[in-house]
Amino acid sequence: DTEVTQTPKHLVMGMTNKKSLKCEQHMGHRAMYWYKQKAKKPPELMFVYSYEKLSINESVPSRFSPECPNSSLLNLHLHALQPEDSALYLCASSQPTGDGYTFGSGTRLTVV
Amino acid sequence: EDQVTQSPEALRLQEGESSSLNCSYTVSGLRGLFWYRQDPGKGPEFLFTLYSAGEEKEKERLKATLTKKESFLHITAPKPEDSATYLCAVNTGFQKLVFGTGTRLLVSP
Repeated sequence: DTEVTQTPKHLVMGMTNKKSLKCEQHMGHRAMYWYKQKAKKPPELMFVYSYEKLSINESVPSRFSPECPNSSLLNLHLHALQPEDSALYLCASSQPTGDGYTFGSGTRLTVV
Repeated sequence: EDQVTQSPEALRLQEGESSSLNCSYTVSGLRGLFWYRQDPGKGPEFLFTLYSAGEEKEKERLKATLTKKESFLHITAPKPEDSATYLCAVNTGFQKLVFGTGTRLLVSP
């Protein structure tokens, strides 16, 4: 299995809602990532988990809360988002060295 | 500061017209240079990883090469289905990919 699976593919949420994005990989990768991508821009790193521990937080607002329940799963909990948070959210995984860096197909998030 | 620059920003080709995309980089330490293809609204699709100067990799109509300062993605006899944004990214060893801004390729029939 060489895939990173993200759900849902599309999400529309109000500014007072709480929702979660999910990511799963079965490649044995021990590093997992959340990226945010705005239209016509490259992906921007948000969080890095290495061996299920948060190793990098790129100064992301607290309304985004990551969680890594085990080595195959990564969640991103969303609460009180703003319309400017609307974007494509990408999950990725790799070996801890960065080898095999693979992206999922993304969740298109719209905040209304 | 680590930096990755891609050129051109956009490229329009006729079907069968070969060309090259450029990715130049200035990084403290190279632990791999990645090429991805991205279709609108989709996640980046892995194409190649290159690790050392002189390395080359091929896949169908695509060939990636690496020098100490830049990488090229050569597209031979492109087809309309090759239209996409091509992203270059560098792994500097801190688990963070540094991306270029991409080249938007349009291949017309």
